[in-house]
Amino acid sequence: QSALTQPPSASGSPGQSVTISCTGTSSDVAGYNYVSWYQQHPGKAPKLMIYEVSKRPSGVPDRFSGSKSANTASLTVSGLQAEDEADYYCSSYAGNKEVFGGGTKLTVL
Amino acid sequence: EVQLVESGGGLVQPGGSLRVSCAASGFTFSIYWMSWVRQAPGKGLEWVANIKQDGSEKYYVDSVKGRFTVSRDNAKNSLYLQMNSLTAEDTAVYYCASLYFHSFDYWGQGTLVTVSS
Repeated sequence: QSALTQPPSASGSPGQSVTISCTGTSSDVAGYNYVSWYQQHPGKAPKLMIYEVSKRPSGVPDRFSGSKSANTASLTVSGLQAEDEADYYCSSYAGNKEVFGGGTKLTVL
Repeated sequence: EVQLVESGGGLVQPGGSLRVSCAASGFTFSIYWMSWVRQAPGKGLEWVANIKQDGSEKYYVDSVKGRFTVSRDNAKNSLYLQMNSLTAEDTAVYYCASLYFHSFDYWGQGTLVTVSS
């Protein structure tokens, strides 16, 4: 059982928007502004997409955005494209440790 | 270009030991916290360990405390994970990653550790 809770799957059609949630507790998501999101294609290493809740690393399209409210963080992918189909993981600092969500498989219909 | 290259994975018997390494290049290794993250076959990501720039602070997930040791050699731009008393539950791809404000910003390609008799 993962420390953070994500829906196992999400889907959307090309051009649509989809939001993936990541629910934690006061000890992790709610307690720190250190939530990040990762994209992982099959057989590849994860890639950082969002850090510190809502910041985008250089090179990540602005179609990807992050937010947080209380103990739930969210990743929104706007203008879905075929290449966005992948697994997405959230993570949070939890006081001398890092915790991950169980992952969400995003399908572009 | 930032590169993290893991090595040292392989097949090991239950109860055995293995050391995996990560060679870093393309960035100033010595100023970064570094991490190990693992992924069991078909499963999600699991944080394993963090180590401070000078090695003075180390943190581990509960399931590996007392069995795994993270270390680094800044002169060689290298990160290590010594794994002892391995069990089947430790079977995974082990990734090294640089840690930037509690986000894993660069990742290696991973090295597979299989614990089986």
